[in-house]
Amino acid sequence: QVQLQESGPGLVKPSETLSLTCTVSGGSVSSGRHYWSWIRQPPGKGLEWIGYIYYSGSTNYNPSLKSRVTISVDTSKNQFSLKLSSVTAADTAVYYCARVPLKNWFDPWGQGTLVTVSS
Amino acid sequence: DIVMTQSPDSLAVSLGERATINCKSSQSVLHSSNNKNYLAWYQQKPGQPPKVLIYWASTRESGVPDRFSGSESGTDFTLTISSLQAEDVAVYYCQQYYSTPPTFGQGTKLEIK
Repeated sequence: QVQLQESGPGLVKPSETLSLTCTVSGGSVSSGRHYWSWIRQPPGKGLEWIGYIYYSGSTNYNPSLKSRVTISVDTSKNQFSLKLSSVTAADTAVYYCARVPLKNWFDPWGQGTLVTVSS
Repeated sequence: DIVMTQSPDSLAVSLGERATINCKSSQSVLHSSNNKNYLAWYQQKPGQPPKVLIYWASTRESGVPDRFSGSESGTDFTLTISSLQAEDVAVYYCQQYYSTPPTFGQGTKLEIK
């Protein structure tokens, strides 16, 4: 079955750009039946959707983060990526990638990766 | 944005007893084209990602035990665990996917009494 795995630096300095990659195995990011998404969860808190991407490159972002977020897809590597600019301590969170059937529910999720913003 | 409000924030139930978690959406998430509520429930155990239990408000995901059920009434949704097992200790979230941005409830922490 499809599996997703996040990767990237666990520590980012304030004002810099957070960059993460999600590698998909057992399935294809080029599937026309799915979107691919990033969600985050600050330590001990709830879930916040960051954005979606379709294999064509079409994106939707959370308006609360839109000015700082870029999600891209690399179909040749079966990966999609997240960039979040001008980070602050408030961006410290576990970042998850997930598959989304036709902008519906999120399933499955990657294991998540903790990104800490600190100098 | 559609606001999802869960109640209670935490819940302690004895093993074998029923657990009920509520979720209310700030506006309808019922799509007229298919008469379905765009509402999912997730279970998140410590140190793990969320796992979908229920979608379309009442459709159980494949492999989810049948003690888990979802129900709906207007903008009110309920997740019921009919007979609590030790492995059900987790935080439960509802999520609407009716409109962008998709939004989650704040979570309900379920513990054993």
